[in-house]
Amino acid sequence: DVKVTQSSRYLVKRTGEKVFLECVQDMDHENMFWYRQDPGLGLRLIYFSYDVKMKEKGDIPEGYSVSREKKERFSLILESASTNQTSMYLCASREQGEAFFGQGTRLTVV
Amino acid sequence: SQELEQSPQSLIVQEGKNLTINCTSSKTLYGLYWYKQKYGEGLIFLMMLQKGGEEKSHEKITAKLDEKKQQSSLHITASQPSHAGIYLCGAPNFNAGGTSYGKLTFGQGTILTVHP
Repeated sequence: DVKVTQSSRYLVKRTGEKVFLECVQDMDHENMFWYRQDPGLGLRLIYFSYDVKMKEKGDIPEGYSVSREKKERFSLILESASTNQTSMYLCASREQGEAFFGQGTRLTVV
Repeated sequence: SQELEQSPQSLIVQEGKNLTINCTSSKTLYGLYWYKQKYGEGLIFLMMLQKGGEEKSHEKITAKLDEKKQQSSLHITASQPSHAGIYLCGAPNFNAGGTSYGKLTFGQGTILTVHP
């Protein structure tokens, strides 16, 4: 059973903290993605990676960075969390065909 | 860049009723994916369409891609409470050089509520 696993379902962090969201896939996919989902806005692409150590900005990269040191792992980093980064974060991986999604991390920044 | 517009944004139906969700693209679609999401969870893949005029069905859900490949519809027959959730359409997003790196752009989603 193919799987994309996100490290946390729920997180509560304080403003200014550095936050790490981890994502692991077991399908040997080259491409991995981080999206955030907000009501009425759908899924917006933050960053993506098409190979180890390769990364590209998506549509809303400001305030975020990423790391891909191993093929199976793609991390999203909030350098200094702010309240406007409170959201649902979804990781996905894809090769050909459909994308596979993790279960999501609901992050609240207080 | 490609944009996908879904309609309606939300839908409330009585159990047993049929319903349709639309997804319209600003550009030609080179593949169209439908997903379902239960509140607070990840996306579950439903169906993929690629060819103009293509239609696929799974249980009571039918998806179609129009001949011009700029619009898709998702139709649910005899809706049930288990169909409730958010439905999203997604499509490959190519840069100016024709490369997508596997990126998908999504519509804003349609929230479906089914009353028993």
